[in-house]
Amino acid sequence: QEQLVESGGGLVKPGGSLRLSCAASGFTFSDYYMSWIRQAPGKGLEWVSDISSSSSYTQYADSVKGRFTISRDNAKNSLYLQMNSLRADDTAVYYCVRGGARSYGMDVWGQGTTVTVSS
Amino acid sequence: DIQLTQSPSFLSASVGDRVTITCRASQGITSYLAWYQQKPGKAPKLLIFAASRLQTGVPSRFSGSGSGTEFTLTISSLQPEDFATYYCQQLHSYPTFGQGTRLEIK
Repeated sequence: QEQLVESGGGLVKPGGSLRLSCAASGFTFSDYYMSWIRQAPGKGLEWVSDISSSSSYTQYADSVKGRFTISRDNAKNSLYLQMNSLRADDTAVYYCVRGGARSYGMDVWGQGTTVTVSS
Repeated sequence: DIQLTQSPSFLSASVGDRVTITCRASQGITSYLAWYQQKPGKAPKLLIFAASRLQTGVPSRFSGSGSGTEFTLTISSLQPEDFATYYCQQLHSYPTFGQGTRLEIK
């Protein structure tokens, strides 16, 4: 069964850092673009970043550019999101998702991990 | 950025009704359009990809149409489990979502 499991969320102070991880199973991870998508409490969905299958290409939403870094380790079937200089408006549920720009849909989603930025 | 405008934002309907949700893109996106269903506390679920293709396992009462800048999601006969929030998403450039349509029971 195709599955994505996120971890690493938690409570962090403004200006702090956090690293999210996503473990993939049940499919050939190295074949796919991967994305992070977030959802602030009571709000809609916001794409954050994606990365190509070989890590050659990455892109970021303007709201996180220069603060967040996406990466992957295909040998470990894992996706990461390093989040620095966190702000209150980064508070959200973060989803690890299979697919990216120029795909036709994002078809596998993790259960999400919650990041709360507060003093 | 490509903006997506969904309408309506809120929809009240009854079991058995036919409903249509519209998504308009600020510029042409060919068929790089997907639709998702999200229930409270759950991750979104892909319903339609490439504007009109039904994701495996999704009931056939769901359908999508359109290309370019105007797209629709239709549910032909609402079932109790369909009451949820629906989002469109474009993947032509860096992905963006519509603001969502909350579908509630009348």
